[in-house]
Amino acid sequence: DAGVTQSPTHLIKTRGQQVTLRCSPKSGHDTVSWYQQALGQGPQFIFQYYEEEERQRGNFPDRFSGHQFPNYSSELNVNALLLGDSALYLCASSALGQGSTDTQYFGPGTRLTVL
Amino acid sequence: AQSVTQLGSHVSVSEGALVLLRCNYSSSVPPYLFWYVQYPNQGLQLLLKYTTGATLVKGINGFEAEFKKSETSFHLTKPSAHMSDAAEYFCAVSSANQAGTALIFGKGTTLSVSS
Repeated sequence: DAGVTQSPTHLIKTRGQQVTLRCSPKSGHDTVSWYQQALGQGPQFIFQYYEEEERQRGNFPDRFSGHQFPNYSSELNVNALLLGDSALYLCASSALGQGSTDTQYFGPGTRLTVL
Repeated sequence: AQSVTQLGSHVSVSEGALVLLRCNYSSSVPPYLFWYVQYPNQGLQLLLKYTTGATLVKGINGFEAEFKKSETSFHLTKPSAHMSDAAEYFCAVSSANQAGTALIFGKGTTLSVSS
C-alpha cells in the first residue's frame, strides 16, 4: 500500500517565478492538507482540500493556491516567489469522508529553494 | 485559538536513559493531541495520538504519552533511549469538535542520544 507521495523531491527557483508541487494521497484517503516547514521550525498549515474544494486555510497570502483533482491528488501553486518561501513543503492526507479520527499521514516533502 | 508549546528545543540523553519531551497545549475546545517524529530530510511519522478515552496512550517504538487535562500537558516518554531515537519530535493539536481540522504544531524538540 503506497503512502503519501510528493513530487518533485527538490526544486530550485528564482525570485518572482512560479512553482507547482504535487501530492498523491494514501490509498483510501480523500483529504489533502499542505504545510510549510521553514528551517528549524514546526510545520505551518497552508490549506486543506476535500471534495475538490478548499475547506480550510491558514494565514498564508493569496500567492499560495491549490487544487484537488477527482482522484484526490492535489497541487500547491506559489506565485511571485520570495526568498522567504524557501522551505520544506509537506503534504498530508486523511480520510475525512470516512469518519476520520483526524490522523494525518505525511509525505516526504518537497524542498523548495528560492534564489 | 489553539497553540502548542514544547519546552526545551534540545534534549540530550544517554543510551538507556529515560526520555522525556514536554508539550503543553492551549485549546478552547476539547483537543486531539499528536506526537510526530521527523528524521533528517524526511517527512513526519506519527508516533501516537490521543483522541478520547484512556489518557495514557502507547505508540510505536516504545513511546507513550499521557493526556493531563488539568495541566494542559501531553508529555512524551520512553523508558530507555536508543541511538535510533535521535530525531526531531513535534507535538501537535487539533480540534475534537470539528473533524479534519488543521494540525497546529509546536516548534519541535531535537533529541540527541549519546552512547
